Amino acid sequence: AQSVTQLGSHVSVSEGALVLLRCNYSSSVPPYLFWYVQYPNQGLQLLLKYTSAATLVKGINGFEAEFKKSETSFHLTKPSAHMSDAAEYFCAVSFSGGYNKLIFGAGTRLAVHP
Amino acid sequence: GAGVSQSPRYKVAKRGQDVALRCDPISGHVSLFWYQQALGQGPEFLTYFQNEAQLDKSGLPSDRFFAERPEGSVSTLKIQRTQQEDSAVYLCASSIGLAETDTQYFGPGTRLTVL
Repeated sequence: AQSVTQLGSHVSVSEGALVLLRCNYSSSVPPYLFWYVQYPNQGLQLLLKYTSAATLVKGINGFEAEFKKSETSFHLTKPSAHMSDAAEYFCAVSFSGGYNKLIFGAGTRLAVHP
Repeated sequence: GAGVSQSPRYKVAKRGQDVALRCDPISGHVSLFWYQQALGQGPEFLTYFQNEAQLDKSGLPSDRFFAERPEGSVSTLKIQRTQQEDSAVYLCASSIGLAETDTQYFGPGTRLTVL
């Protein structure tokens, strides 16, 4: 069965500091991996996705993530946090033959303080 | 339209009432998904449509939940005899094709509160 674990339900960083949001997955078949961001009262927006091409994936707003098969991880990073990055972040997995249904982690709320 | 829209945005129901939640996907999108997001949790898959065909309803929690997409565009999620545990945000998403890597575009959700 496929599952996603996001370590840390809340992460707080200073403006300008490195952002690191952790995601580990469990999958019996090669996964496709996604990071979504959710701002209050808005729908989820795709940040980036891994689709078995390059293992280092660059997304919008300066975010990137690296797929590490040996560690079953897909951590999200951003070198320098902005106040506008404060939101809820969700890691998700889909898999071949699964109709593209997404299995989400529980989410990590990112707070950015001055 | 420019994106996925959902209505109503907020719905309050008394326990035992029936509710209907509407989703307007992006025009031309073949795939449509419904997810349920409980407070403080990630979205959980409910059901999937490919055009008008409901190909996966494995996530529907009970037979009180019913979804349809009769003409392959607008979809309705119906919950009969609502219970307090049905309180959640219901998200709709659409994607252009059938590939597992296609981006899903999400609507803003309908927040259902059952009293």
